[in-house]
Amino acid sequence: DTEVTQTPKHLVMGMTNKKSLKCEQHMGHRAMYWYKQKAKKPPELMFVYSYEKLSINESVPSRFSPECPNSSLLNLHLHALQPEDSALYLCASSTQQGYEQYFGPGTRLTVT
Amino acid sequence: QKEVEQDPGPLSVPEGAIVSLNCTYSNSAFQYFMWYRQYSRKGPELLMYTYSSGNKEDGRFTAQVDKSSKYISLFIRDSQPSDSATYLCAMSANDYKLSFGAGTTVTVRA
Repeated sequence: DTEVTQTPKHLVMGMTNKKSLKCEQHMGHRAMYWYKQKAKKPPELMFVYSYEKLSINESVPSRFSPECPNSSLLNLHLHALQPEDSALYLCASSTQQGYEQYFGPGTRLTVT
Repeated sequence: QKEVEQDPGPLSVPEGAIVSLNCTYSNSAFQYFMWYRQYSRKGPELLMYTYSSGNKEDGRFTAQVDKSSKYISLFIRDSQPSDSATYLCAMSANDYKLSFGAGTTVTVRA
């Protein structure tokens, strides 16, 4: 089973709201990722967790706050977002080698 | 110059045709080469990955990597309307980071 699940599927939030995106995998992968994808563009890496520790932050604004509670779960906490943050947010996981990444279906976020 | 170049198309072929997709790259450190398929408003789906140079076949899909030319290809035989999607090449130097191409939009006409 190569499934990564994400909730919610869709999210609409105002610029003053706080919300969280959730991701789960049960493949035993020890690396998990957050990506942002705008329409007709490839995914852009935001964060990488390896063995539940943040190993890469691609200079993402602090209004995005990742959390890895355990090896199967990954959260992305959102606060004071801007309309330009509207995008498809993708979670992925992989083995420690990091190249064979499996993506979830994404959360489509709209900031109003 | 982008690290990975991929013609965004669009590419339109009749059902049953061979779809040929390719990417070129500039970073010699890339060792792993992936192809993803992404349907509209869905997450990317890993189709195939290849380590270093060589060919790999999986059903109707064949991936080729030529590291000496820094060129990778994906061929889809007997294409079906369900193959209509955006195809993304991705490459890794084994450092968790994937470098993606722009994606090629493919339409298979019934």
